[in-house]
Amino acid sequence: NAGVTQTPKFQVLKTGQSMTLQCAQDMNHNSMYWYRQDPGMGLRLIYYSASEGTTDKGEVPNGYNVSRLNKREFSLRLESAAPSQTSVYFCASRTAGGDTQYFGPGTRLTVL
Amino acid sequence: RKEVEQDPGPFNVPEGATVAFNCTYSNSASQSFFWYRQDCRKEPKLLMSVYSSGNEDGRFTAQLNRASQYISLLIRDSKLSDSATYLCVVSTYNTDKLIFGTGTRLQVFP
Repeated sequence: NAGVTQTPKFQVLKTGQSMTLQCAQDMNHNSMYWYRQDPGMGLRLIYYSASEGTTDKGEVPNGYNVSRLNKREFSLRLESAAPSQTSVYFCASRTAGGDTQYFGPGTRLTVL
Repeated sequence: RKEVEQDPGPFNVPEGATVAFNCTYSNSASQSFFWYRQDCRKEPKLLMSVYSSGNEDGRFTAQLNRASQYISLLIRDSKLSDSATYLCVVSTYNTDKLIFGTGTRLQVFP
């Protein structure tokens, strides 16, 4: 039981490049989330998915797209990376009605 | 005004000390409350939920004051291993989203 996994762990991009951050959970959770964490800003919700086939915007969705591929996987795509997207990205999941969000280990992204 | 506000610290305390963190939230419709712990360069992990009557888990005590929209976390007999950032988290009834505070950093020294 790996919990929530994320790939890659680290990534460096040039401005304008695109990439997809992958997230998978093996806990049969319904809800999945993408956050970014910046110094002094705390965790901010980018997008979330309450169930397979649905996605909703969070607090800071601009510049990102998501896909809930199936119940296990929820990916985050940067179409044209900008230096302002330099951050640590966390994926999380939660069972329906549950209190706890379980986080992946994070992806550290730098955009030059 | 941020929805969840915390003193960023850092709180530097000696081993064995008692330390308390406070958190205020702005949305009176908030229904669920939590403390998460985040170690340096790691993911956040649930420390404990906060119940209306207050609750204790070993050396950790959490309290909620709905009238003042205030949550607290008390750590007794601090250990070196308690050094981390403590995140105050709230959610509103019937929503799938959590709102995180920016965290309070604790450093316990020998």
